[in-house]
Amino acid sequence: GIQVEQSPPDLILQEGANSTLRCNFSDSVNNLQWFHQNPWGQLINLFYIPSGTKQNGRLSATTVATERYSLLYISSSQTTDSGVYFCAVGGIQGAQKLVFGQGTRLTINP
Amino acid sequence: DAEITQSPRHKITETGRQVTLACHQTWNHNNMFWYRQDLGHGLRLIHYSYGVQDTNKGEVSDGYSVSRSNTEDLPLTLESAASSQTSVYFCASGRDRAGELFFGEGSRLTVL
Repeated sequence: GIQVEQSPPDLILQEGANSTLRCNFSDSVNNLQWFHQNPWGQLINLFYIPSGTKQNGRLSATTVATERYSLLYISSSQTTDSGVYFCAVGGIQGAQKLVFGQGTRLTINP
Repeated sequence: DAEITQSPRHKITETGRQVTLACHQTWNHNNMFWYRQDLGHGLRLIHYSYGVQDTNKGEVSDGYSVSRSNTEDLPLTLESAASSQTSVYFCASGRDRAGELFFGEGSRLTVL
C-alpha cells in the first residue's frame, strides 16, 4: 500500500516565525488532505489538495503529484497553531480510504 | 448546520464486554469510515462503507464489526473488548469516492 512520510517529526518555533512541513508519498494519489489536530484532539480540515496550490489566510499548501510530495506553509505563526499536522493520502483505487502520515508536532512558543 | 457526531465521547469498559460506538452524519454522505489513533501508529483504517448495506474491512479490522442500515449511521461494535483496543476512535464521512473527508470529534475508549 501507499506509504506516507512526514518531516520534520517535531518543530519548535517562536511566535511570528514561518515554517514548512513536508509530506512524501510512495504512489500516485487521487486525494491528499492536510489536517490540524488541536490540543483537544479534534481533526480540523486544512486543505483538500491532490494537486496544485491553495491558500487560506496564513496557511498555504502545494502538491506536486508527479514528484509525490506536498508542502504545508505556515506564516507568522501564532500559539494557536500548535498541535499535530497530518498529511493523508488516498490512492487511485479508493481515494477516500485515507492513509495517514505520522504527523509533525508543531509547538509555537510566545 | 450539517455535521458528524460520535457517542459516547468517553467510555471505560472491561475486557470481554461488547461495546458499540455510534457515528451519525447529517450531510447525506454515501461514504463513512472508522479509524483508530494510537501513539506510534497514527490513524489507521478499521472499516468503511460506500453505501447502505455495504461494509468493507480496513487495515486493522480484527475484533471489530460495522453495519450500515441507513445513510446517516455507521456504528462500530467491539464484540469482546480487549485491552489492545484501548484507543481513540474517529468516524469520518465523505460525499464521493475522491472528495474531501470530514471527521467527528473522536471517542476515547479505555478497556480495563
